[in-house]
Amino acid sequence: EVQLLESGGGLVQPGGSLRLSCAASGFTFSIYAMHWVRQAPGKGLEWVSGMSANSGGNTYYADSVRGRFTISRDNIKNTLYLQMNSLRVEDTAVYYCAKKFGLVGTTTQRAFDIWGQGTMVTVSS
Amino acid sequence: QSALTQPASVSGSPGQSITISCSGTSSDVGGYNSVSWYQQYPAKAPKLMIYDVSNRPSGVSNRFSGSKSVNTASLTISGLQAEDEADYYCSSYTSGSTPYVFGTGTKVTVL
Repeated sequence: EVQLLESGGGLVQPGGSLRLSCAASGFTFSIYAMHWVRQAPGKGLEWVSGMSANSGGNTYYADSVRGRFTISRDNIKNTLYLQMNSLRVEDTAVYYCAKKFGLVGTTTQRAFDIWGQGTMVTVSS
Repeated sequence: QSALTQPASVSGSPGQSITISCSGTSSDVGGYNSVSWYQQYPAKAPKLMIYDVSNRPSGVSNRFSGSKSVNTASLTISGLQAEDEADYYCSSYTSGSTPYVFGTGTKVTVL
């Protein structure tokens, strides 16, 4: 079964740090770009960060998190990470990891076909 | 990168058809055939319903269809059913500072 399982969320004070993990199974992790999408309570979806298929590959960030968040992946452990530093109250959200539909190098299927169940991050004093 | 614009809510009676719009710019919706649509139930992860403007992933009902005209994409749900009551989000690939942008979301109510 194709599955993504996030972990690492929790309560943190403003200015603190958290590291989210997303364990993938049921597909060849190393040939797909992976992304993080968040949803603040009662709000819509917001794309946060993405990374190309290869470890050490291209990384992308939303303006709201650039310079504070770092995405990475371990294609041996089939795991995606999001290191979140200098957290702000407005970073409070459910964080989902999502798999890009299309294979690496394709310009079609630019969508997210597999999503994890999400992990809640609460930034509060 | 600004969010794509969707109506906050759309409603319809069972059996009817409804259409949700998703308005963007030439840098996103209008510039690429990379619009996707997601269905989300409360406290659940989003589910991909449409990709590349009008394609359905395997397993998605053919009651869902997508289209695009210039800078506006649309999702049509025909033969509306109670189970279609959910939030719907569009998304597009972009040439802006970030590669993807989501819409503001639309709550679909089945009367």
